[in-house]
Amino acid sequence: DIQMTQSPSSLSASVGDTVTITCRASQGISNYLAWYQQKPGKVPKLLIYVSSTLQSGVPSRFSGSGSGTDFTLTISSLQPEDVATYYCQKYDSAPLTFGGGTKVEIK
Amino acid sequence: EVQLVESGGGLIQPGGSLRISCAASGFTVNRNYMNWVRQAPGKGLEWLSIIYTGGNTNYADSVKGRFTISRDNSKNTVYLQMNSLRAEDTAVYYCARQDVEAARYDMDVWGQGTTVTVSS
Repeated sequence: DIQMTQSPSSLSASVGDTVTITCRASQGISNYLAWYQQKPGKVPKLLIYVSSTLQSGVPSRFSGSGSGTDFTLTISSLQPEDVATYYCQKYDSAPLTFGGGTKVEIK
Repeated sequence: EVQLVESGGGLIQPGGSLRISCAASGFTVNRNYMNWVRQAPGKGLEWLSIIYTGGNTNYADSVKGRFTISRDNSKNTVYLQMNSLRAEDTAVYYCARQDVEAARYDMDVWGQGTTVTVSS
């Protein structure tokens, strides 16, 4: 099975900073990669699909890129409401594995 | 409104069985892929199972042989039958849709979750 590895596992940044989270697949998954945001105590929310397409209603400071095995989620100009854990997920075929998550905090 | 509502969680003893439900509204479950995902306390998301439009199913190794996903088209509801429950199955269980009708396969709609606690 394909493994999904996220890094870092946590980060702390200042409001206004640009934050980058990486996700690596152990084998190529084309662009079948989604990013989810989960705020404390809340349900996961889809941010980005097919690696780089922003879900409707998601602020444009979020962006995604990558294909094959290496992907990134970028938050430009970090805001206090972006405090959350972010997960990548492959969905090319089952098992639809999630990455381990990246916890984003404000410094 | 497109919505998923899980129910049926609770406290169950180790070795016991439980069936949780996911009722859909605003779309048809058998025209989409439906999934179960869980999150143990303080842990990340773990994909568990999928039921495809044709009725085929697939499972994570951690639950294969113990959990069974199914659906009732007349009730527009998806189920997860969980047998031989262990303490490590304690988690919030979410159902999530993959929107096949829109040719999208990300999980765009999630339920609010139902909590399963396995403890004596």
